[in-house]
Amino acid sequence: QITLEESGPTLVRPTQTLTLTCTFSGFSLSTSGVAVGWIRQPPGKALEWLAHIYWDDDKRYNPSLKTRLTITKDTSKNQVVLRMTNMDPVDTATYYCAHLDSGGWYYYDYWGQGTLVTVSS
Amino acid sequence: DIQMTQSPSSLYASVGDRVTITCRAGQSIRSYLNWYQQKPGKAPKVLIYGASNLQNGVPSRFTGSGSGTDFTLTISSLQPEDFATYYCLQTSSAVGYTFGQGTKLEIK
Repeated sequence: QITLEESGPTLVRPTQTLTLTCTFSGFSLSTSGVAVGWIRQPPGKALEWLAHIYWDDDKRYNPSLKTRLTITKDTSKNQVVLRMTNMDPVDTATYYCAHLDSGGWYYYDYWGQGTLVTVSS
Repeated sequence: DIQMTQSPSSLYASVGDRVTITCRAGQSIRSYLNWYQQKPGKAPKVLIYGASNLQNGVPSRFTGSGSGTDFTLTISSLQPEDFATYYCLQTSSAVGYTFGQGTKLEIK
């Protein structure tokens, strides 16, 4: 049974760096083909893909946010960490992590419940 | 990056209706197109992957079709639990993935 859970601050000040952790179970990020991604959703708005990381440490970032994002993994802890620098109120959103099924079609099949991050002074 | 244009942005329908939502990609994404359903306060749930493959446990009234740049999600006979927001997601590009802007399906 695959589960994922996001954790991190609920409130971030403008210009600060956001650090979110995705802790997962039911799979290993050392297994070939496995990946974990991050997706966000501002209140009342659409989903936005942010980044994902593969078992071999290959990383992909949203081109429009690439300079602000860093994704890393800790295989021993079953965790993936997303860092986003220079936070702005427009970054207020629910942030989700999700397991990427990369066995053929590449789709996010298991999601965390999401964590709401508010950017405000 | 590949732009995804989803339409309509909102849709009013009744229980029992047949509805269709479309997504158009800015360039060919072959069949790397997924459909998600999201209810308020919940994470998205995958319905269709690879353009036309029904995810395990999803009712057969959901059907996906298309390839290249044009895709559709059809719900053959709306049920009360189907009123939600639907998103497409392209996973073709090695540069990165892109969601559509969403379609809110509401009760008429």
